Amino acid sequence: GDSVTQMEGPVTLSEEAFLTINCTYTATGYPSLFWYVQYPGEGLQLLLKATKADDKGSNKGFEATYRKETTSFHLEKGSVQVSDSAVYFCALSDQRYSTLTFGKGTMLLVSP
Amino acid sequence: SAVISQKPSRDICQRGTSLTIQCQVDSQVTMMFWYRQQPGQSLTLIATANQGSEATYESGFVIDKFPISRPNLTFSTLTVSNMSPEDSSIYLCSVVTIYEQYFGPGTRLTVT
Repeated sequence: GDSVTQMEGPVTLSEEAFLTINCTYTATGYPSLFWYVQYPGEGLQLLLKATKADDKGSNKGFEATYRKETTSFHLEKGSVQVSDSAVYFCALSDQRYSTLTFGKGTMLLVSP
Repeated sequence: SAVISQKPSRDICQRGTSLTIQCQVDSQVTMMFWYRQQPGQSLTLIATANQGSEATYESGFVIDKFPISRPNLTFSTLTVSNMSPEDSSIYLCSVVTIYEQYFGPGTRLTVT
């Protein structure tokens, strides 16, 4: 079945540091890929998505590129802020269905 | 977009009892999902609840333990029955629109 593997956290960074959170997936066919963010005390919010190979999703300074050859969708940001502290989930969706398969989540802690 | 509210936001329950979680959406949606997020784990799909039909449960989840109602296109309930400490989790309601998948803020359940 489908699966998503993402790096374990917590990831601890200083403000303005570069962020990478690795995500790899296993799926049949051509899934859509997503990054969701969960701020403390809030529900999951869609951060960005990509629906086909080589697509780059971007939002709020975060980027991720759909790499079919390496089955990866790594999340990056050039300069993190304290307000980016949250849990980040990588997920995929089979094109035929709408249910999501999630990774375990990576907590990001950004200090001033 | 879709705004989702859940009640209660959190609860502490004794083992052997049941809790019903409500999910209300501000627009009519066909597909609604219930997920479970166990401590330190990924989100796991419990069931898909479409209006007018019985819920479809994922492997490892059964109707007797997690009965679901979907009386209309804006509301659903999930009951966690005969609870044990292993049921301590965050339960999330989710809906799909033509644009994306949205999540509620979650219900944090602790079973003692």
